[in-house]
Amino acid sequence: GAGVSQSPSNKVTEKGKDVELRCDPISGHTALYWYRQSLGQGLEFLIYFQGNSAPDKSGLPSDRFSAERTGGSVSTLTIQRTQQEDSAVYLCASSLPRSGGLSSYEQYFGPGTRLTVT
Amino acid sequence: DQQVKQNSPSLSVQEGRISILNCDYTNSMFDYFLWYKKYPAEGPTFLISISSIKDKNEDGRFTVFLNKSAKHLSLHIVPSQPGDSAVYFCAASYGGTASKLTFGTGTRLQVTL
Repeated sequence: GAGVSQSPSNKVTEKGKDVELRCDPISGHTALYWYRQSLGQGLEFLIYFQGNSAPDKSGLPSDRFSAERTGGSVSTLTIQRTQQEDSAVYLCASSLPRSGGLSSYEQYFGPGTRLTVT
Repeated sequence: DQQVKQNSPSLSVQEGRISILNCDYTNSMFDYFLWYKKYPAEGPTFLISISSIKDKNEDGRFTVFLNKSAKHLSLHIVPSQPGDSAVYFCAASYGGTASKLTFGTGTRLQVTL
């Protein structure tokens, strides 16, 4: 089946503009995650959604960042009033839920959206 | 605070030899560890994982070792192949049915001919 897809693959925007990044998870995956990778850095957790539970927003760097997941599938990450420090690759991942305890699970990543704020 | 650390930003290994990538963590609540491989302009690809109840997991050429007392894990690739050249990320998680991953900063592996 299809993997995680993200659009656009590249986005160049002017400082102060709003941007929307889209993620289509793997069908049947109830968990969806957003991460970002700034230049020379590791992947930084932003937010995750699990089924109908309230999302874990603990990684969002500021209130300019928000995300929603409609119908338990597609997710949109919105960055308002973009700043140059928002430039990064934004990665989406999805997974099946862990069945509990120490069960194994993996997150499957999309190719990312490279955001450049000029 | 960097809870997962990969102190070697790069590693060069000759084809056919063993590659050893290291990772240290500070949070004792982590109960599951993963290694991801990343090629340029692609998303990370899952490679191998290990839960905290084990100390070794093997999959083909890839073996992950976990030393809980030292809060250290390592990925061994043997024999190394040119196609293994990529950035390798160590990641950790704990608890719940869906858990965020905390990543290290990555180690760039180059396998030379």
